[in-house]
Amino acid sequence: GQQLNQSPQSMFIQEGEDVSMNCTSSSIFNTWLWYKQEPGEGPVLLIALYKAGELTSNGRLTAQFGITRKDSFLNISASIPSDVGIYFCAGITQGGSEKLVFGKGTKLTVNP
Amino acid sequence: NAGVTQTPKFQVLKTGQSMTLQCAQDMNHEYMSWYRQDPGMGLRLIHYSVGAGITDQGEVPNGYNVSRSTTEDFPLRLLSAAPSQTSVYFCASSYRGSEAFFGQGTRLTVV
Repeated sequence: GQQLNQSPQSMFIQEGEDVSMNCTSSSIFNTWLWYKQEPGEGPVLLIALYKAGELTSNGRLTAQFGITRKDSFLNISASIPSDVGIYFCAGITQGGSEKLVFGKGTKLTVNP
Repeated sequence: NAGVTQTPKFQVLKTGQSMTLQCAQDMNHEYMSWYRQDPGMGLRLIHYSVGAGITDQGEVPNGYNVSRSTTEDFPLRLLSAAPSQTSVYFCASSYRGSEAFFGQGTRLTVV
């Protein structure tokens, strides 16, 4: 089945640093999504990308839908302690049942 | 607007017991799905539904049953619980081809 390769698995950074994570796949996706999960909670949508090449920002977060439709990245600028959590990429497949496929997540730790 | 509501939040079962995890959404979404989350494994799709009366298997369906009699509800049944089913379970709903909204999860321990 379709798989998303998300990297890095974990990151330990200092407050104020920028963060970059990405997802790649051998399959084409119609939509890329980035979610954040905090301890004890369900994933919450951060950014949705619907067109190849699209670059979208949400505050300090910026995400891009790759031109090939097989990859996406998420950047966080000037990290703060509340950025801590697990970040998941997800892709929605083309046609048919249009299932949501998830990466395995990037666990972010921010040291004050 | 409640969004996606899962009950219970926590559950402990003995091996061999059965139970139903409830999921309800009030956004009139066609799509509903169940995921399990295990450490280092991300979110794995168990079953999903594209509308009332229609369900299909995901990546890890064994040991679970679902039904979708209404647009709002999508219960997940564990037929005979096993320790390998200890996990956090998330229900999600969406419009077709659009972003999914998640419930807060059910933390299940099978002893």
